[in-house]
Amino acid sequence: ETGVTQTPRHLVMGMTNKKSLKCEQHLGHNAMYWYKQSAKKPLELMFVYNFKEQTENNSVPSRFSPECPNSSHLFLHLHTLQPEDSALYLCASSQDLESGSNQPQHFGDGTRLSIL
Amino acid sequence: GQNIDQPTEMTATEGAIVQINCTYQTSGFNGLFWYQQHAGEAPTFLSYNVLDGLEEKGRFSSFLSRSKGYSYLLLKELQMKDSASYLCAAMDSNYQLIWGAGTKLIIKP
Repeated sequence: ETGVTQTPRHLVMGMTNKKSLKCEQHLGHNAMYWYKQSAKKPLELMFVYNFKEQTENNSVPSRFSPECPNSSHLFLHLHTLQPEDSALYLCASSQDLESGSNQPQHFGDGTRLSIL
Repeated sequence: GQNIDQPTEMTATEGAIVQINCTYQTSGFNGLFWYQQHAGEAPTFLSYNVLDGLEEKGRFSSFLSRSKGYSYLLLKELQMKDSASYLCAAMDSNYQLIWGAGTKLIIKP
């Protein structure tokens, strides 16, 4: 039980499809993150939300669209993805961005995304 | 630029000790994290260092030298379940984590 739940665990989609990834945290945290993890590469930070406000968008293509309706839920909407977008997408949460640097991020198990 | 370097893969024997090194270059520094990630699972937090020195937590210890931009994770009395990837991440002045690519640790009987 990680406290951060992601669904679905696996997703296969065509390049013209539209799908959404969901993340829910039960830790009472106020900051949530989307990361992309590709084989043998560092985690790439995509988006950060703090108290439902987006604070970071690290030059992510517009085919990825985040949504944070409340501090417990985070979505990543996907449309017209490319084969190079195939990766593990990880969601994380932490207390918030003001509580100090020693607050660790807690991760979900990720969604394994495959683009055909 | 910001960069984290750690070995791609290491092999060790059950019951032995292994040290996984990490060097970092960041714009400002607010601490160094180590995470463990088993295949197909979430990364889980292991340790945090912000001051120089050694932090011990059971079989795992983490060391930091800020002047050298260097950290290591020391795993003692290795068990088969310690086979995993170990991720080093440094927090920059904007409180963002800069991640290494991870070290895959293989434990042999």
